Amino acid sequence: QSVLTQPPSVSAAPGQKVTISCSGSNSNIGPNHVSWYQQVPGAAPKLLIYDNIKRPSGIPDRFSGSKSGTSATLGITGLQTGDEADYYCGTWDGRLSAAVFGTGTKVTVL
Amino acid sequence: QLQLQESGPGLVKPSETLSLTCTVSGGPMSSSNYYWGWVRQTPGKGLEWIGSIYSGGSTYYNPSLKSPVTISLDTSRNQFSLKLYSVTAADTAVYYCARPRALSGNFDSWGQGTLVTVSS
Repeated sequence: QSVLTQPPSVSAAPGQKVTISCSGSNSNIGPNHVSWYQQVPGAAPKLLIYDNIKRPSGIPDRFSGSKSGTSATLGITGLQTGDEADYYCGTWDGRLSAAVFGTGTKVTVL
Repeated sequence: QLQLQESGPGLVKPSETLSLTCTVSGGPMSSSNYYWGWVRQTPGKGLEWIGSIYSGGSTYYNPSLKSPVTISLDTSRNQFSLKLYSVTAADTAVYYCARPRALSGNFDSWGQGTLVTVSS
């Protein structure tokens, strides 16, 4: 059972914006950086955001990250059909001494 | 560009040892101060970090794992390996090798994943 909680699903029309929350605690998100991953069916997770707000080379600026206290948020603007995927947050948990991931959120483009 | 590729048996019997190898291409492992790790994914539990190894040899494992685990490094072959002992059906998962940025939730490169089924 994951220590990071995400909504099971979010949806919006093409061109719109969605946000995905990741709720943690003072032992994980609070003191540590958060990363976000995109996973399309049958493929490995792909890093979208690291260090809360940074994008790896090649990731469009439609994807953004933020963190406040013990929660983090991924935003996707200008939603495209290709954005349909599962999204996961991840961070380090100092109490568990383990990398931990969120429960995952399925994004549907209506 | 860094590429990772998992290899190993797709079927393991209960109580036996699950062994996987990750081959790294795109740069020598021996000249890098990186961590290398394993993550698995099951439908019921989502993504789960198994453990990581530093290029210097230090290992870090997820304390919540029920099965004993060992991760080792073979820089001469540009490979690192996973051994999960005394497996049960609960260890059935897609196993990914990945490169974490230190001990963190930041895994910047991933293998394609390999499905391992534990069944008699």
